[in-house]
Amino acid sequence: GNSVTQMEGPVTLSEEAFLTINCTYTATGYPSLFWYVQYPGEGLQLLLKATKADDKGSNKGFEATYRKETTSFHLEKGSVQVSDSAVYFCALSSAGNNRKLIWGLGTSLAVNP
Amino acid sequence: EPEVTQTPSHQVTQMGQEVILRCVPISNHLYFYWYRQILGQKVEFLVSFYNNEISEKSEIFDDQFSVERPDGSNFTLKIRSTKLEDSAMYFCASSNSGETQYFGPGTRLLVL
Repeated sequence: GNSVTQMEGPVTLSEEAFLTINCTYTATGYPSLFWYVQYPGEGLQLLLKATKADDKGSNKGFEATYRKETTSFHLEKGSVQVSDSAVYFCALSSAGNNRKLIWGLGTSLAVNP
Repeated sequence: EPEVTQTPSHQVTQMGQEVILRCVPISNHLYFYWYRQILGQKVEFLVSFYNNEISEKSEIFDDQFSVERPDGSNFTLKIRSTKLEDSAMYFCASSNSGETQYFGPGTRLLVL
């Protein structure tokens, strides 16, 4: 079945460091791929998405490219801020009308000043 | 910006009691979902709802669970007889196309 694997956290970085959070997936067909973020005490917010191979999703300085050949959707940011401290979730949506989301475990990021 | 809302934010209940978790999806959305996240585990799909009926449900969504859209705005998840293992964060989501889902802040349920 479909699945998502994320690198385990926690990840601790200094402000302005480069961030990569790895995400790989297993899926039949052509799923859409998502990154969601959960800030402390808040719900799940869509960060970015990509719906087909080679698409790049971007938002708030974060980027991820849908790589079909490596079945990956790694999240990157060139210079993190303290306010980026959160839990980041990679997810894919299955084919079909319902498009339920299948989730990775989440990666906790702490950015220190 | 429209958003999904959920109430209550926290719910504590005794094992065996019924709970109803409430959600107000974004007003023009047509697809509705419930997910849950047990502490330390992955977010898990429970059920999807479209056109006033369940379109898909997971193995978790057994006879103890039910969903309803009673009045065209609310979307509720009922657990008839809660178990300790139902303790989790429950997230409601909605979508206008079935592709991008927008989530509420969640209800933290604790079953004692």
